[in-house]
Formats: sequence, structure tokens, C-alpha cells
Amino acid sequence: AQSVTQLDSQVPVFEEAPVELRCNYSSSVSVYLFWYVQYPNQGLQLLLKYLSGSTLVKGINGFEAEFNKSQTSFHLRKPSVHISDTAEYFCAVSRFTGNQFYFGTGTSLTVIP
Amino acid sequence: KAGVTQTPRYLIKTRGQQVTLSCSPISGHRSVSWYQQTPGQGLQFLFEYFSETQRNKGNFPGRFSGRQFSNSRSEMNVSTLELGDSALYLCASSLGQGPYNSPLHFGNGTRLTVT
Repeated sequence: AQSVTQLDSQVPVFEEAPVELRCNYSSSVSVYLFWYVQYPNQGLQLLLKYLSGSTLVKGINGFEAEFNKSQTSFHLRKPSVHISDTAEYFCAVSRFTGNQFYFGTGTSLTVIP
Repeated sequence: KAGVTQTPRYLIKTRGQQVTLSCSPISGHRSVSWYQQTPGQGLQFLFEYFSETQRNKGNFPGRFSGRQFSNSRSEMNVSTLELGDSALYLCASSLGQGPYNSPLHFGNGTRLTVT
């Protein structure tokens, strides 16, 4: 079975400051890893994904994440946040086949002017 | 290219009623997945359809069912509604080859309120 834990439910951060959103996962098989963002009253948008290869992956809007297999973590980072980054962020895993994703409960990022 | 379209955007139903939600995937996408999003449970997988066949199913009671048509459009049905079914229901489509080659594209959801 797979499960995802997002360690912080809410993260306030000042504009132009760096931010890290933490994600840990548990799985008995190898998985793919994803970060999605959800803006109010909208669906989820893919930020980035780790499939294989380099453990540091870059996504849209200046976000990046690092896969750490030994710590089963996939933390999301951005060096300088903007007001427009205020949203809900979801970490997710999936097995190699099929489209059944397992999501964390989300982290609400609030950027303070 | 048009995105994933879900209709209606909002629904209000009474306990005991049934409801049907609709999802039109991105053109060319053959896989449609459904997720339930609630504040307490987060996003939970309901089921996935590929080429009109249910390929995966989550841990939901039989009151939740779905189907996919030959044009890849999908419907989700919930019978005998309960208050706990109030949620945002999200549909996602993909080419269906698995996450490596084909990421999920989500619609904006249908918000169901059961009173």
C-alpha cells in the first residue's frame, strides 16, 4: 500500500522569502512522485514530477523538489515566493502502471506581503 | 485544446437522492479518473476508466459507480446520498499509458452539497 504525509498543514511566509513544503511517503513498491497545486475554485495543476534519473527536479513557476530515497521524502522548495504562489499544494505518489494516485492532505501556502 | 470539462459546477441534493456528474476529457485522452476531495480526508481515488472499462477502483461503497462512453466521456453516479458525500468531485484525464508518459489533467470539479 502507498501513503503520503505532508508534515505541515499551513505554511505562512513573507513575500520574496524562501519556502520548503515537506512530503514523506511510504510504499512497498517503487513509485513515481508528484507535486500538484490547487488555486481556489480550480482543479489541480501539475507542478513537477519525479519519474527517474536526477533526484533534483525542476517544475513550473520556479519550484523544484528533491527526491531522497533513503528518507522517503520529496520536499518542494522555492527560493523566493510571490503573492501569486498562495494556494494549496499536494504531494502525490503513483505506481508505475495505472492512474491511481495517492495524495497527501495538502499544505496551504500563504504568502504575506 | 480544451481542458477537462466537468458539469455541473455546483449541485445541491437532499439525503436519499441520487446524482450524476459528468466529465468530458481532453480530446484524445482515453483514461478518466475520479477523485473525491473533502477537508477531512483530502483527495481520495474513486475509480479509473480506460476504453470503457473500469481499470482501478478505490475503497468506496457500491453507492458510487461510474461508466465511460465510447467517446471517452465519463459519468459518475452516487445513489442514496448521505451528508458525508458532500465534497468536491474531481475528474482527471490522461492518454492512459501510465504516469510516465501521460500526466493527469484535472477539471475544475463539481461541488456537491447534500442537505
